[in-house]
Amino acid sequence: GDSVTQMEGPVTLSEEAFLTINCTYTATGYPSLFWYVQYPGEGLQLLLKATKADDKGSNKGFEATYRKETTSFHLEKGSVQVSDSAVYFCALSRGEKLVFGKGTKLTVNP
Amino acid sequence: GAVVSQHPSWVICKSGTSVKIECRSLDFQATTMFWYRQFPKQSLMLMATSNEGSKATYEQGVEKDKFLINHASLTLSTLTVTSAHPEDSSFYICSAMGLAGGRISYNEQFFGPGTRLTVL
Repeated sequence: GDSVTQMEGPVTLSEEAFLTINCTYTATGYPSLFWYVQYPGEGLQLLLKATKADDKGSNKGFEATYRKETTSFHLEKGSVQVSDSAVYFCALSRGEKLVFGKGTKLTVNP
Repeated sequence: GAVVSQHPSWVICKSGTSVKIECRSLDFQATTMFWYRQFPKQSLMLMATSNEGSKATYEQGVEKDKFLINHASLTLSTLTVTSAHPEDSSFYICSAMGLAGGRISYNEQFFGPGTRLTVL
């Protein structure tokens, strides 16, 4: 069945460091791909998405490109801030249902 | 974005009792609601999908008689864990999907903050 694998955390960075969180998927066909973010005490929020190969999703300085050839959707940010500290989930969908990775906790220190 | 609330945020109960968790869409009508379960350091696992006014569709391996889901209105869904046991202890998260339009995109799910259930 469909599955998502993302890098194990936790990840700890200093402010203004470069961030990469790896995500790969297994699915038949062409799923849509998502990154969700969960801030402490809050629900998951959609961060960005891409619906077809070579699409780049971007939001709040974060980017991820849908790579069909490597079945990947890695999340990147050039300069992280303390306020980016959260848990990040990679997910895929075909239709309504979402399949999530395990989540990666990011802590950014000043 | 659209707001989804859950109540309670945490609950502790004795083994054998039933617990009800509410999920509400506060500022939009939710045509579909989803219930997930999350174990520590694990991903969210979809338990069931419910559409307003109809029976929920459960994922394989989820006991529908144990996890009762009701979606009686366009703003409220409830999950009742019946005869709870310690192995039911988990973090339960709901999400809601509305009709596309305005600030709501097609097939976008809005998540509640989750409910921590501990069964003693």
